[in-house]
Parts: sequence; structure tokens; C-alpha cells
Amino acid sequence: DVKVTQSSRYLVKRTGEKVFLECVQDMDHENMFWYRQDPGLGLRLIYFSYDVKMKEKGDIPEGYSVSREKKERFSLILESASTNQTSMYLCASSADGRGGNTIYFGEGSWLTVV
Amino acid sequence: SQKIEQNSEALNIQEGKTATLTCNYTNYSPAYLQWYRQDPGRGPVFLLLIRENEKEKRKERLKVTFDTTLKQSLFHITASQPADSATYLCALDELSGNTPLVFGKGTRLSVIA
Repeated sequence: DVKVTQSSRYLVKRTGEKVFLECVQDMDHENMFWYRQDPGLGLRLIYFSYDVKMKEKGDIPEGYSVSREKKERFSLILESASTNQTSMYLCASSADGRGGNTIYFGEGSWLTVV
Repeated sequence: SQKIEQNSEALNIQEGKTATLTCNYTNYSPAYLQWYRQDPGRGPVFLLLIRENEKEKRKERLKVTFDTTLKQSLFHITASQPADSATYLCALDELSGNTPLVFGKGTRLSVIA
């Protein structure tokens, strides 16, 4: 079974702190994604990556950055956390960009910024 | 503008009935359409994928249809059970380079015993 593991399930951080959300997948997938999910807004794509050291902006990249130094690991960074970044963050991976591939999600990281 | 809409935010049905969820899209040309299930506090889980040249796909009590003329997919759960209660998301795949899937906001289904 494919497994996407997010390092932290629940975090509470202070405004202005730098926050790292880590994600690891164990299926040698090329593609990795970070989404946030808020009530009434659905899943929104923050950043994605199709290869090591590559990254592409999604729909809402402002206030976030990412790092993909190894194929299996994709990190989301909040440089200076703000209260409007309180949300559930979901990491995901898929096999390649040729279409028809399903996305495997992690369990989610609940971030509260106070 | 591009839009993907799931017909209702919430749907309540009685146990044993067929639940039908709708996904409509505008200004997309998906090659594939996928459906996911999400339980509260968990990540979405893949259920079914249907290609643009397929009219219907089945898996156990689940059935998906895809009408590219109407720009619509229907997701059916027959003989619904309380355990089917969850949020169901549709997602479009345009097969255009490396464009990620586009997700609808989901429909929250409650099956009442």
C-alpha cells in the first residue's frame, strides 16, 4: 500500500514563527503536492513538484515555500506564520504526469497559528 | 472562467436508498474524472476513475457516469449504508502537460438509519 506520511498531525505555532511541515512518500512517486483545506473552500493547491529540486506554484502560494531535496520528501515552509494560515494541510503524491493517475493523500496536519 | 461544481454541499438520504451526487464543470476538457471519499479529519481516498471515452464505470455498490456533452459526472451509491456517510470529491484531469488535478469542493453525504 502506498503510504504518505505527514510528520505532525497537530501543531500550534505563534504568529511570526517559521513552520516546517514535512511529508514523506514510500512509493517512488515523481509528483508531490501540498494542499490546504478550509470549510467551504475545498482543497486548494499551494505548491507541487514533478521532480527533485523542482517546484511549481499552485493556486495560493503566497506566504509559503517548499523544498524537495529528495524524491520521497516534500516540505512545506511557512516563513512567518500568520493567523490566516490556520488550516488543515494535506500532502499528496502521484506516480507521474501522464494523466489517469490517482493521488494518494496523507492524513493531514492541523495547524493553528495563535 | 473555469469552474467545477458539486451540486450540493450536503445530502441526506435514508439507508437502503440510492445516493446520487453530481459534478458539473465549465471550461475544462478533462481526459479523466476521478471520485474521492473523505472522512472527517482524514485525507481523501481514491474511489473510481473514468475516462472521457467511457460512459459508465462500476465498482461494487458504486457507479460513475461521465457525459462530456453535458459536462457532467454522476456518482451513485446503491443500497446506501450509514458507513457511506462522508464527503465525496470529484476531480478533473485535463492531461495537459503536468497540470494537477482540479478538485470540486465536495458533497457531504449523510445516510440515516
